[in-house]
Amino acid sequence: GAGVSQSPRYKVTKRGQDVALRCDPISGHVSLYWYRQALGQGPEFLTYFNYEAQQDKSGLPNDRFSAERPEGSISTLTIQRTEQRDSAMYRCASSLFSGASYEQYFGPGTRLTVT
Amino acid sequence: DAKTTQPPSMDCAEGRAANLPCNHSTISGNEYVYWYRQIHSQGPQYIIHGLKNNETNEMASLIITEDRKSSTLILPHATLRDTAVYYCIVRVGDNYGQNFVFGPGTRLSVLP
Repeated sequence: GAGVSQSPRYKVTKRGQDVALRCDPISGHVSLYWYRQALGQGPEFLTYFNYEAQQDKSGLPNDRFSAERPEGSISTLTIQRTEQRDSAMYRCASSLFSGASYEQYFGPGTRLTVT
Repeated sequence: DAKTTQPPSMDCAEGRAANLPCNHSTISGNEYVYWYRQIHSQGPQYIIHGLKNNETNEMASLIITEDRKSSTLILPHATLRDTAVYYCIVRVGDNYGQNFVFGPGTRLSVLP
């Protein structure tokens, strides 16, 4: 079946612009996670949802970052007033349910470059 | 989450078993051990996970010591396509879904 998909795969934007990154999880997966990955490092947690409810946003670096999942399926991560330090790979993952016994499946990521 | 310690890099000859160690000496009784790998810039790929018992699937085997303070991921017949960064992660078990905390991992190079 189809895995996690993300769009766009690459995004180049100018400093100060807003960007919206989309994640389409595996069909039927309740939980959706957002991570950010800098070059040469492992992914770093940002936020996650169960259905449409945002359960934990402790990893969001500041209030320029927000995420939503209004219908409990597709999710959007929005970065307002982008800065060069926001440049990274943004990864989405989904799992059937939340809980530590359920593995997460990752998408291909969106590479964001802020110039 | 409990922290893990992995060697930064390892080599393995093609066709041989690759044994990747992981120390998690502060693991709690309800924490799972997960292994993921990442090939180039692709998304992390799930390999296997376990709580107390050894586990095996089509990709690998996971051996967890009796005291659960360490584990080993075994790729029985490594191929060149297994060259990747391998992450060992421990994850608390509860009903509220916890994110993964990735460390630097082990860079495995499978040599021809």
